[in-house]
Amino acid sequence: QKEVEQNSGPLSVPEGAIASLNCTYSDRGSQSFFWYRQYSGKSPELIMSIYSNGDKEDGRFTAQLNKASQYVSLLIRDSQPSDSATYLCAVNGGRNTGKLIFGQGTTLQVKP
Amino acid sequence: GAVVSQHPSWVICKSGTSVKIECRSLDFQATTMFWYRQFPKQSLMLMATSNEGSKATYEQGVEKDKFLINHASLTLSTLTVTSAHPEDSSFYICSARAASGRKVGEQFFGPGTRLTVL
Repeated sequence: QKEVEQNSGPLSVPEGAIASLNCTYSDRGSQSFFWYRQYSGKSPELIMSIYSNGDKEDGRFTAQLNKASQYVSLLIRDSQPSDSATYLCAVNGGRNTGKLIFGQGTTLQVKP
Repeated sequence: GAVVSQHPSWVICKSGTSVKIECRSLDFQATTMFWYRQFPKQSLMLMATSNEGSKATYEQGVEKDKFLINHASLTLSTLTVTSAHPEDSSFYICSARAASGRKVGEQFFGPGTRLTVL
């Protein structure tokens, strides 16, 4: 079993819709969770961090964390074509190393 | 805030030469920096963890004598690819972990360096 799992997609949504991206992780001791956006040929960009159970909202983005289910998700409201990218879920590897364990990424396509 | 730069952004070199890549955190201190490699259509692969003032920690399968890492200050880490070969051609990306401040613990990526070895 991979440590951090994501559906590779592509996930296709129409412009204006809500895109829902999901991620599961295997290490129950994980404390920090991050979502990065990566455009083709570019480096990842941090868009959300979440540390406690529940929802965290930032603009059109909402991160959701459920530690009991070992599940973290990212919702993108009012999706725009410019949101089309690969979204990487990352989990802190624990033991205070700061190492992030990345999922394979989900490719999102927002169609005009 | 939380800007990380990398230099050069791209480099083309002949097989057998060495290439140095710099990673700088411009507006925050980073006691820890990370070096990743990414091949086309693949996810990030962590190569090593670079700690200021100490030796880097390499991931399994990464040759420490080939990929030399130096973290001389709280804002600068360098990766030197020694005796580069075509199979080392890849997108090398660094990240810096904020040591303090509002974004403490978060990791920010540099823009990456695309290395092509002929």
